[in-house]
Amino acid sequence: SQTIHQWPATLVQPVGSPLSLECTVEGTSNPNLYWYRQAAGRGLQLLFYSVGIGQISSEVPQNLSASRPQDRQFILSSKKLLLSDSGFYLCAWSSGLRGKGEQYFGPGTRLTVT
Amino acid sequence: QQPVQSPQAVILREGEDAVINCSSSKALYSVHWYRQKHGEAPVFLMILLKGGEQKGHEKISASFNEKKQQSSLYLTASQLSYSGTYFCGTHTGFQKLVFGTGTRLLVSP
Repeated sequence: SQTIHQWPATLVQPVGSPLSLECTVEGTSNPNLYWYRQAAGRGLQLLFYSVGIGQISSEVPQNLSASRPQDRQFILSSKKLLLSDSGFYLCAWSSGLRGKGEQYFGPGTRLTVT
Repeated sequence: QQPVQSPQAVILREGEDAVINCSSSKALYSVHWYRQKHGEAPVFLMILLKGGEQKGHEKISASFNEKKQQSSLYLTASQLSYSGTYFCGTHTGFQKLVFGTGTRLLVSP
């Protein structure tokens, strides 16, 4: 069966500090991978998605970036965090063209920028 | 453009029924439904493909009217465990979903 991991689970960082969040998927190959952000009490905002190694599509202009160095690894980064970057960061995967697009989410990282 | 869900929030007594609607301004290939409990990640419930199909999950079912670009989620004989925020996700032909505005459901004893 497939499993998706995210770490860390919680993070408190000062404004201007760097960020690196990691997501890995087990039990599948060539997944589509996604990063979402959810502000408190709000909906899911798609930040990046990737259909393959090194292929990243950005959905919103901001100070975040994403990379996919390996097939089942997806990393979200920032060089300098802003207060507005606080939120619940969720990684998700789907089976790409083999599936119907249903997405499965990791447990999330709760980021507080102080 | 983000699909619009209605109502924004609903409070039920255990055993009551509810309907959550999802409406899109774009043509849809499929509609997905997810439930998110407080502090947790969203969980996939079901997917509806073109063709007006209906699907079910426990006592939760859904319909998809592709002509109207709408989907509805039906919760019958609600249980306490149904509480959470429900999101629809619409698929417009690319490898991504656009999630709706969300509907908060609270089921009380």
